[in-house]
Amino acid sequence: DVKVTQSSRYLVKRTGEKVFLECVQDMDHENMFWYRQDPGLGLRLIYFSYDVKMKEKGDIPEGYSVSREKKERFSLILESASTNQTSMYLCASSLSRNSNQPQHFGDGTRLSIL
Amino acid sequence: GESVGLHLPTLSVQEGDNSIINCAYSNSASDYFIWYKQESGKGPQFIIDIRSNMDKRQGQRVTVLLNKTVKHLSLQIAATQPGDSAVYFCAEHNTNAGKSTFGDGTTLTVKP
Repeated sequence: DVKVTQSSRYLVKRTGEKVFLECVQDMDHENMFWYRQDPGLGLRLIYFSYDVKMKEKGDIPEGYSVSREKKERFSLILESASTNQTSMYLCASSLSRNSNQPQHFGDGTRLSIL
Repeated sequence: GESVGLHLPTLSVQEGDNSIINCAYSNSASDYFIWYKQESGKGPQFIIDIRSNMDKRQGQRVTVLLNKTVKHLSLQIAATQPGDSAVYFCAEHNTNAGKSTFGDGTTLTVKP
């Protein structure tokens, strides 16, 4: 089974801090994704990546950046955290861009910005 | 823009009954559709999928129906059990764009 591991289940940071959320997958998937999940808004795509060093903006990229230096690892960066970035963050991976395969999700990081 | 909508935010059923969860999508270019289940404290998990060249697919106790004419997707769960209580998301996928768009979710509650 594919395992997607997010480094922290809960994280508390302060406004203005630079925050790193880490995600690792163990099935050699090409695609990786970062979403945030908020009540009533479903899952919204922040950034995604098809390959090492490649990144694409999702629907809500403002205030975020990403890094994919290794195939198995996809990091989400909050450059200067703000309270409206308090949310549940979900990482996912899938096999490859042109294959119709479902995404595999981690269990999420609940981030609070004070 | 693209959007995927679920008809009901909540659904309550009796244990043993069949459940039907509906979803509307708007992007005609979507060619792959997925249902996910999210239990409390966990990430979404894949349940069943269907490609746009099909209109029905069955799994164990679950069936997905796709009506491309009206852009409608449904998930049917047979003999619903308490363990089926969760939030269910539909997602539409556009292979050219390489990304999925998720609906807002339906919370299914199974009463014993």
